Amino acid sequence: DAGVIQSPRHEVTEMGQEVTLRCKPISGHDYLFWYRQTMMRGLELLIYFNNNVPIDDSGMPEDRFSAKMPNASFSTLKIQPSEPRDSAVYFCASSLGTGALFFGEGSRLTVL
Amino acid sequence: GENVEQHPSTLSVQEGDSAVIKCTYSDSASNYFPWYKQELGKGPQLIIDIRSNVGEKKDQRIAVTLNKTAKHFSLHITETQPEDSAVYFCATGDGNKLVFGAGTILRVKS
Repeated sequence: DAGVIQSPRHEVTEMGQEVTLRCKPISGHDYLFWYRQTMMRGLELLIYFNNNVPIDDSGMPEDRFSAKMPNASFSTLKIQPSEPRDSAVYFCASSLGTGALFFGEGSRLTVL
Repeated sequence: GENVEQHPSTLSVQEGDSAVIKCTYSDSASNYFPWYKQELGKGPQLIIDIRSNVGEKKDQRIAVTLNKTAKHFSLHITETQPEDSAVYFCATGDGNKLVFGAGTILRVKS
């Protein structure tokens, strides 16, 4: 299996622009997670889906963040408008619901 | 909510020595305790996990021990090798919502 695939790997944008991060989970996995990693806050869970339905979005920082999962093989995390404090590495992970998470390589976002 | 503390933040060992990383947690309902290894520029990778009905689990050179009474669990790496150098994260939770520790930078000197 190809593993969890994320794009883009790197994104540099200016404050106020819209950012869209994409994720393709491992085929057959019915849970999908979005995490954010920063030096200050470590790995934080933003939101997770089960069978394409958002289950817990309590980690989403504010209304500027939104996530969708239109089908079992694709999810997006959108930030609009972006701010410098959103700079981080965003990880997507998928699982079978047994606890073990399989992470993608991450999308490094820099907001100037 | 759950709080996970991980120590030490950095650990430097000589090749061939053992390394131990410890985590404490606050929520007694937590029943799943994985450890992840993250190499530079990559996502975290699960290396070993344990559930609350087991006290210890081994996989070759790595082992995890769990003390539910004291609410702490540890990662043990024996016969360390340079390729073990990475950042290690503990995590815990109940079901799918995992809370991660702050991470330990492990350096294995050859």
